[in-house]
Formats: sequence, C-alpha cells, structure tokens
Amino acid sequence: AQSVAQPEDQVNVAEGNPLTVKCTYSVSGNPYLFWYVQYPNRGLQFLLKYITGDNLVKGSYGFEAEFNKSQTSFHLKKPSALVSDSALYFCAVSTAQGNTPLVFGKGTRLSVIA
Amino acid sequence: KAGVTQTPRYLIKTRGQQVTLSCSPISGHRSVSWYQQTPGQGLQFLFEYFSETQRNKGNFPGRFSGRQFSNSRSEMNVSTLELGDSALYLCASSFGQSNEKLFFGSGTQLSVL
Repeated sequence: AQSVAQPEDQVNVAEGNPLTVKCTYSVSGNPYLFWYVQYPNRGLQFLLKYITGDNLVKGSYGFEAEFNKSQTSFHLKKPSALVSDSALYFCAVSTAQGNTPLVFGKGTRLSVIA
Repeated sequence: KAGVTQTPRYLIKTRGQQVTLSCSPISGHRSVSWYQQTPGQGLQFLFEYFSETQRNKGNFPGRFSGRQFSNSRSEMNVSTLELGDSALYLCASSFGQSNEKLFFGSGTQLSVL
C-alpha cells in the first residue's frame, strides 16, 4: 500500500524568502504525486502533479515541486514566499494503476511572516 | 461550470445518532471520493464510487457507508455516531480514474456531542 510522510507539522518562513515543504512517499510501481493547498474553511485546491517526464514540475501560484526517485521525495518549493501563501499543504500519492485512490499526508502548515 | 457541492455545511449531532452527508460532483464527473479530515490524522480515505459502484474502500468501520446515484451524486452515512467521528468530511470528484486530479468540495463539518 502506498503512503506519504510530511515530516514537518509547521514551516515558518519570512516573506520574500524561498520556501520548501517536504514530502516523501512509498509506493509499489511508478508514483503519481500531487500537491494540494487548503485555506481556512475551504476544501483542497490542486497545485500541481507529477506523472512522468521532467523532474521539476511547475504549478499554480508560482509553486514548483521536484521529483527525486532515488530519495523518494517530492518537495514543494517557491522562490519567494508571500504572506498569502500561508495555508495547509498536503502531499498525495497514487500509482500508475488507474484505480488506486490518492493517499494524503497529514499536512504541513505554512506560515509566512511579513 | 459549478464546482463540487457538499451539504450541509455544518452539522451537530449527539452520540448514537446517525447522519447523512450529500455531495454533488462537477457535471460530467463520474467518480466521487470521500475523505475524513481531522487535525491529528490529516486526510484519511473513506471510499470511492464510480458509476454507482464502490470501487475502493479505506480502513473505516462498517458504521461508515456510502452510495452513488445514477446522476453521480453521492451520499455517505455514519450510523451510531461516536465522539471521535467529529471531523471535516470532504468529497472530491474526478472524471473517471481514481488516480486523477481530484476536485474538492468545501466539506461538511460534523460535530458529535
């Protein structure tokens, strides 16, 4: 069975600094990897996904994620953080087998301080 | 195109009662998944329905059940509510495959007293 670990419950970063939110995964076969963001009192919004191809995936709102097969990681990054990026971020994994549901991590709360 | 709609937005129940939550997927989406979100456990997968059939099921007790109708709308039911069932229940839809990008509703916040 697949699983996701987000080792940090909370990440604090100053506005304008680069940010990284970490994610490692475990899956049999080729992974499908996703990042979602959740703002207060809202559902999850899709940021980006990796299926195959370039290891650096670009997504919404200036976010990108780097797939590293050897380290089984899929860290979320942004070159310059905004206060409005403060939210709860979830990493999720599925597999190339079509009917495998997405399994989510426990989430990382990002706080960007002005 | 309208997004995923979940009703009601908030629910307060007492232990032992049962509850039914509703989800209307994006038009044309045939897969509906349900997740339970709690502060300590993050998002946990409940089940997924596709074309009125349960396609995947998570590790939840039988008190949690669901169904999907011919118009792809879905309901989930929790019987004999326990305090630990207090959570945000999220519904998500996708066009077909389970491993596709999911579109989430805003959720139903269930409080069990």
